[in-house]
Amino acid sequence: DTAVSQTPKYLVTQMGNDKSIKCEQNLGHDTMYWYKQDSKKFLKIMFSYNNKELIINETVPNRFSPKSPDKAHLNLHINSLELGDSAVYFCASSRMTSTDTQYFGPGTRLTVL
Amino acid sequence: QQQVKQSPQSLIVQKGGIPIINCAYENTAFDYFPWYQQFPGKGPALLIAIRPDVSEKKEGRFTISFNKSAKQFSLHIMDSQPGDSATYFCAASPSGKLIFGQGTELSVKP
Repeated sequence: DTAVSQTPKYLVTQMGNDKSIKCEQNLGHDTMYWYKQDSKKFLKIMFSYNNKELIINETVPNRFSPKSPDKAHLNLHINSLELGDSAVYFCASSRMTSTDTQYFGPGTRLTVL
Repeated sequence: QQQVKQSPQSLIVQKGGIPIINCAYENTAFDYFPWYQQFPGKGPALLIAIRPDVSEKKEGRFTISFNKSAKQFSLHIMDSQPGDSATYFCAASPSGKLIFGQGTELSVKP
């Protein structure tokens, strides 16, 4: 059973389009995250939700909007896609917000043409 | 103050060698220091982690050395194997928000 799953694995789209990435975890964790990994492999946190509440919101353009329908799901919607949004997006989850292990999904490679 | 600096950017060792990856941080509020391993096309996975109240932690062939006064920590891989070839990330956490280093691409030659 996959612990943290993401769909789709690959996403190729045109500039200006709107797209969503879905994430689900079956670990029973309370906290979920979105990270962005750029072309140089640098990983940066974007958002974190704890029990459906937003707790971390880094300096991310308003075009990015996370939504957590329940504590097992955290989706990422991106409006008006730009070339610079091309990256690999990782979802992660953990038991608590502090020092528990974060389990990462397999990633979604987004390519904006 | 929120940065974690990691070096080297890439590392090539022979099988059996001991690669060492170093990280430095500035913010003394960081209270958790994990290392993640990432294989191509996969998500990062926790390898080993340390808290600032200990100076060393070993798990199998992986050891973290932690120097609180210098605000530095490092990962040592004993008896490295070709299967250890991956990208390694150090991270530091103030209250659950992982701040990652820039990553080290390790290649272990047979």
